[in-house]
Amino acid sequence: AQSVTQLGSHVSVSEGALVLLRCNYSSSVPPYLFWYVQYPNQGLQLLLKYTTGATLVKGINGFEAEFKKSETSFHLTKPSAHMSDAAEYFCAVTQRTGFQKLVFGTGTRLLVSP
Amino acid sequence: DGGITQSPKYLFRKEGQNVTLSCEQNLNHDAMYWYRQDPGQGLRLIYYSQIVNDFQKGDIAEGYSVSREKKESFPLTVTSAQKNPTAFYLCASSPGEGQPQHFGDGTRLSIL
Repeated sequence: AQSVTQLGSHVSVSEGALVLLRCNYSSSVPPYLFWYVQYPNQGLQLLLKYTTGATLVKGINGFEAEFKKSETSFHLTKPSAHMSDAAEYFCAVTQRTGFQKLVFGTGTRLLVSP
Repeated sequence: DGGITQSPKYLFRKEGQNVTLSCEQNLNHDAMYWYRQDPGQGLRLIYYSQIVNDFQKGDIAEGYSVSREKKESFPLTVTSAQKNPTAFYLCASSPGEGQPQHFGDGTRLSIL
Protein backbone atom coordinates (compact mmCIF):
# COMPACT_ATOMS: atom_id res chain seq x y z
CA ALA A 1 0.00 0.00 0.00
CA GLN A 2 1.11 3.51 -0.71
CA SER A 3 1.76 6.03 2.03
CA VAL A 4 3.06 9.57 2.38
CA THR A 5 5.02 11.11 5.23
CA GLN A 6 5.37 14.85 5.62
CA LEU A 7 7.99 15.73 8.20
CA GLY A 8 6.92 18.61 10.42
CA SER A 9 3.31 19.61 10.94
CA HIS A 10 4.46 23.25 11.14
CA VAL A 11 7.35 25.03 9.45
CA SER A 12 8.24 28.64 10.24
CA VAL A 13 10.36 30.86 8.01
CA SER A 14 11.09 34.55 7.69
CA GLU A 15 10.00 36.49 4.64
CA GLY A 16 12.70 36.13 2.00
CA ALA A 17 14.10 32.89 3.43
CA LEU A 18 14.25 29.52 1.71
CA VAL A 19 11.17 27.34 2.03
CA LEU A 20 11.71 23.56 2.30
CA LEU A 21 8.78 21.23 2.94
CA ARG A 22 9.62 17.57 3.12
CA CYS A 23 7.71 14.66 1.61
CA ASN A 24 8.67 10.99 1.53
CA TYR A 25 6.56 8.28 -0.01
CA SER A 26 6.29 4.56 0.17
CA SER A 27 5.33 2.72 -2.99
CA SER A 28 6.30 -0.52 -4.67
CA VAL A 29 6.67 1.27 -8.01
CA PRO A 30 7.39 4.95 -8.76
CA PRO A 31 4.08 6.74 -8.39
CA TYR A 32 2.64 9.97 -9.66
CA LEU A 33 3.38 12.73 -7.14
CA PHE A 34 1.59 15.98 -6.37
CA TRP A 35 1.84 19.01 -4.13
CA TYR A 36 -1.31 20.92 -3.23
CA VAL A 37 -1.78 24.16 -1.27
CA GLN A 38 -4.79 25.00 0.89
CA TYR A 39 -5.69 28.44 2.19
CA PRO A 40 -8.08 28.74 5.18
CA ASN A 41 -11.62 27.54 4.48
CA GLN A 42 -10.84 26.80 0.85
CA GLY A 43 -10.27 23.75 -1.28
CA LEU A 44 -6.95 22.42 -2.47
CA GLN A 45 -5.10 24.02 -5.37
CA LEU A 46 -2.53 22.11 -7.40
CA LEU A 47 1.00 23.53 -7.09
CA LEU A 48 2.84 21.00 -9.25
CA LYS A 49 2.94 17.37 -10.31
CA TYR A 50 5.44 14.73 -11.34
CA THR A 51 4.33 12.01 -13.71
CA THR A 52 7.28 11.26 -15.97
CA GLY A 53 10.31 12.88 -17.55
CA ALA A 54 12.38 15.60 -15.87
CA THR A 55 12.72 15.00 -12.16
CA LEU A 56 12.85 18.71 -11.27
CA VAL A 57 9.33 20.04 -11.60
CA LYS A 58 8.40 23.70 -11.58
CA GLY A 59 5.01 24.83 -10.38
CA ILE A 60 3.01 27.94 -9.73
CA ASN A 61 3.98 30.79 -7.39
CA GLY A 62 7.72 30.05 -7.72
CA PHE A 63 7.60 26.61 -6.12
CA GLU A 64 9.48 23.59 -7.41
CA ALA A 65 10.02 20.00 -6.32
CA GLU A 66 12.52 17.29 -7.19
CA PHE A 67 11.65 13.63 -7.51
CA LYS A 68 14.45 11.50 -6.06
CA LYS A 69 13.72 7.84 -6.60
CA SER A 70 16.70 6.62 -4.57
CA GLU A 71 15.50 8.61 -1.55
CA THR A 72 11.77 8.11 -2.24
CA SER A 73 11.36 11.84 -1.73
CA PHE A 74 9.56 14.73 -3.38
CA HIS A 75 10.50 17.79 -1.32
CA LEU A 76 8.95 21.17 -2.11
CA THR A 77 11.13 24.29 -2.21
CA LYS A 78 10.91 27.99 -2.91
CA PRO A 79 14.00 30.24 -2.86
CA SER A 80 12.34 33.22 -1.18
CA ALA A 81 9.21 33.10 0.97
CA HIS A 82 6.45 35.68 0.69
CA MET A 83 3.84 36.45 3.30
CA SER A 84 1.22 35.19 0.86
CA ASP A 85 2.80 31.70 0.96
CA ALA A 86 1.43 31.12 4.46
CA ALA A 87 -0.93 28.18 4.03
CA GLU A 88 -1.15 24.42 4.48
CA TYR A 89 0.66 22.21 2.00
CA PHE A 90 -0.20 18.62 1.17
CA CYS A 91 1.91 16.04 -0.63
CA ALA A 92 -0.02 13.25 -2.38
CA VAL A 93 0.76 10.12 -4.39
CA THR A 94 -1.20 7.87 -6.67
CA GLN A 95 -0.38 4.69 -8.50
CA ARG A 96 0.29 4.80 -12.23
CA THR A 97 -2.18 2.13 -13.29
CA GLY A 98 -5.66 1.13 -12.32
CA PHE A 99 -7.87 3.32 -10.19
CA GLN A 100 -5.88 6.34 -9.14
CA LYS A 101 -6.71 6.83 -5.51
CA LEU A 102 -4.88 9.83 -4.11
CA VAL A 103 -3.12 9.16 -0.82
CA PHE A 104 -2.40 12.35 1.10
CA GLY A 105 0.13 13.24 3.72
CA THR A 106 -1.12 14.88 6.91
CA GLY A 107 -0.06 18.32 5.74
CA THR A 108 2.49 20.96 6.75
CA ARG A 109 1.41 24.41 7.81
CA LEU A 110 3.83 27.07 6.59
CA LEU A 111 4.12 30.17 8.76
CA VAL A 112 5.87 33.23 7.32
CA SER A 113 7.00 36.03 9.60
CA PRO A 114 7.94 39.56 8.50
CA ASP B 1 -15.13 29.41 -16.01
CA GLY B 2 -14.98 25.66 -15.47
CA GLY B 3 -14.83 24.38 -11.97
CA ILE B 4 -16.40 22.54 -9.07
CA THR B 5 -19.17 24.11 -7.01
CA GLN B 6 -19.93 22.87 -3.54
CA SER B 7 -22.94 24.06 -1.57
CA PRO B 8 -23.71 25.12 1.02
CA LYS B 9 -20.45 26.51 2.38
CA TYR B 10 -21.64 25.99 5.98
CA LEU B 11 -24.16 23.42 7.17
CA PHE B 12 -25.55 22.50 10.56
CA ARG B 13 -27.03 19.15 11.47
CA LYS B 14 -29.35 18.25 14.29
CA GLU B 15 -29.19 14.91 16.06
CA GLY B 16 -30.84 12.13 14.06
CA GLN B 17 -30.98 14.19 10.89
CA ASN B 18 -29.66 13.34 7.44
CA VAL B 19 -28.07 16.15 5.46
CA THR B 20 -26.99 16.31 1.82
CA LEU B 21 -23.96 18.15 0.49
CA SER B 22 -24.05 19.22 -3.13
CA CYS B 23 -21.19 18.92 -5.62
CA GLU B 24 -21.49 20.01 -9.25
CA GLN B 25 -18.73 20.16 -11.87
CA ASN B 26 -18.70 21.59 -15.39
CA LEU B 27 -15.25 20.27 -16.29
CA ASN B 28 -16.64 17.21 -18.14
CA HIS B 29 -14.62 14.95 -15.85
CA ASP B 30 -15.55 11.30 -15.55
CA ALA B 31 -14.27 10.67 -12.03
CA MET B 32 -15.53 12.38 -8.88
CA TYR B 33 -14.53 12.02 -5.23
CA TRP B 34 -15.59 12.96 -1.72
CA TYR B 35 -13.06 13.58 1.04
CA ARG B 36 -13.33 14.35 4.69
CA GLN B 37 -10.75 16.64 6.29
CA ASP B 38 -10.08 16.74 10.02
CA PRO B 39 -7.33 18.79 11.67
CA GLY B 40 -3.99 16.99 11.64
CA GLN B 41 -5.30 14.02 9.62
CA GLY B 42 -5.03 15.16 6.04
CA LEU B 43 -7.78 14.09 3.64
CA ARG B 44 -9.55 10.76 3.83
CA LEU B 45 -11.54 9.29 0.94
CA ILE B 46 -15.23 8.66 1.62
CA TYR B 47 -16.62 7.61 -1.78
CA TYR B 48 -15.57 7.84 -5.40
CA SER B 49 -17.22 7.41 -8.77
CA GLN B 50 -15.40 6.66 -12.01
CA ILE B 51 -18.48 6.76 -14.23
CA VAL B 52 -22.16 7.66 -14.13
CA ASN B 53 -24.36 5.23 -12.18
CA ASP B 54 -21.37 3.61 -10.51
CA PHE B 55 -19.59 4.44 -7.27
CA GLN B 56 -17.30 2.73 -4.78
CA LYS B 57 -16.64 3.00 -1.06
CA GLY B 58 -13.46 4.68 0.03
CA ASP B 59 -11.64 4.32 3.33
CA ILE B 60 -14.31 5.80 5.63
CA ALA B 61 -17.70 5.19 3.93
CA GLU B 62 -19.65 4.16 7.03
CA GLY B 63 -22.46 6.62 7.78
CA TYR B 64 -22.34 8.19 4.32
CA SER B 65 -24.15 7.57 1.03
CA VAL B 66 -23.79 8.97 -2.51
CA SER B 67 -25.45 8.86 -5.91
CA ARG B 68 -24.16 9.55 -9.42
CA GLU B 69 -27.15 9.93 -11.72
CA LYS B 70 -25.53 12.62 -13.85
CA LYS B 71 -21.94 13.14 -14.92
CA GLU B 72 -21.95 16.63 -13.47
CA SER B 73 -23.34 15.84 -10.04
CA PHE B 74 -22.13 13.74 -7.09
CA PRO B 75 -24.11 14.56 -3.92
CA LEU B 76 -23.04 13.22 -0.53
CA THR B 77 -25.55 12.39 2.22
CA VAL B 78 -24.33 12.34 5.79
CA THR B 79 -26.72 10.04 7.60
CA SER B 80 -27.64 9.87 11.28
CA ALA B 81 -25.46 6.75 11.47
CA GLN B 82 -22.37 8.95 11.17
CA LYS B 83 -21.72 9.68 14.83
CA ASN B 84 -18.96 12.22 14.37
CA PRO B 85 -19.88 14.22 11.27
CA THR B 86 -18.25 17.52 12.22
CA ALA B 87 -15.59 18.09 9.56
CA PHE B 88 -14.68 19.92 6.38
CA TYR B 89 -15.92 18.03 3.31
CA LEU B 90 -14.20 18.39 -0.05
CA CYS B 91 -15.41 17.26 -3.45
CA ALA B 92 -12.99 16.67 -6.32
CA SER B 93 -12.98 15.52 -9.91
CA SER B 94 -10.39 14.34 -12.41
CA PRO B 95 -10.34 13.72 -16.17
CA GLY B 96 -8.37 10.50 -16.19
CA GLU B 97 -5.13 8.63 -15.71
CA GLY B 98 -2.18 10.66 -14.59
CA GLN B 99 -4.19 13.84 -14.28
CA PRO B 100 -4.49 15.75 -11.01
CA GLN B 101 -7.71 16.13 -9.12
CA HIS B 102 -9.49 19.48 -9.05
CA PHE B 103 -11.16 20.51 -5.80
CA GLY B 104 -14.19 22.53 -4.79
CA ASP B 105 -14.07 25.06 -1.96
CA GLY B 106 -15.60 22.68 0.57
CA THR B 107 -18.54 22.48 2.94
CA ARG B 108 -18.05 22.81 6.69
CA LEU B 109 -20.52 20.65 8.60
CA SER B 110 -21.20 21.19 12.29
CA ILE B 111 -23.51 19.61 14.85
CA LEU B 112 -26.14 21.70 16.61
